[in-house]
Amino acid sequence: QSVLTQPPSVSGAPGQRVTISCTGTGSNIGAGYDVYWYQQVLGTAPKLLIYADANRPSGVPDRFSGSKSGTSASLAISGLQAEDEADYYCQSYDTSLSAWVFGGGTKLTVL
Amino acid sequence: QVQLQESGPGLVKPSETLSLTCTVSGHSISPYYWSWIRQPPGKGLEWIGYIYDSGSTNYNPSLKSRVTISVDTSKNQFSLKLSSVTAADTAVYYCARNYCNDGACYPAAFDIWGQGTMVTVSS
Repeated sequence: QSVLTQPPSVSGAPGQRVTISCTGTGSNIGAGYDVYWYQQVLGTAPKLLIYADANRPSGVPDRFSGSKSGTSASLAISGLQAEDEADYYCQSYDTSLSAWVFGGGTKLTVL
Repeated sequence: QVQLQESGPGLVKPSETLSLTCTVSGHSISPYYWSWIRQPPGKGLEWIGYIYDSGSTNYNPSLKSRVTISVDTSKNQFSLKLSSVTAADTAVYYCARNYCNDGACYPAAFDIWGQGTMVTVSS
């Protein structure tokens, strides 16, 4: 059980917008630590989508956006495409565990 | 183009030591953070630890007593050793490099990943 809680699954039709939440505590997100987001297509290594809460590495489409407020963070994906179907993970630092931690992951299904 | 490649035994016996190497091509080891991350079958990601530049390390406290990460700059490689393994250590093991941009580096942002190597702990 991760200290960062994500919904197990979300879904949306092509072209729609979906959001994936990542709920933490005062020991991680709420303490102001940066949040990162990764996309993992089945059978491949994760890919960095968002760093430092809301920044995209070069090459990541602007359809992906990140935000943070209080003890939670969110990843929004607009203009949903079939190739967005994947698992998504949030990540932050937890001061109680003294470790970088990942959320349990959210499976995105494009209907 | 930076590429990472994990190598090592795919099968390790219980109580023995798991040893993996990550070979870095396209860039020198310095001055990045080099991490090991694992993913049990069908489960989520777990950060194991990192080694930085000259050799300073930081490990996940949950694994710290069993983990050693080292670097061989002459071979542009870094390695993971995990001792006293059990079935719970069965996972895909990834090596990864952190993200740097415009002079700022983010140790926790895993930007470049190896393809991963499956390690099974079984007798």
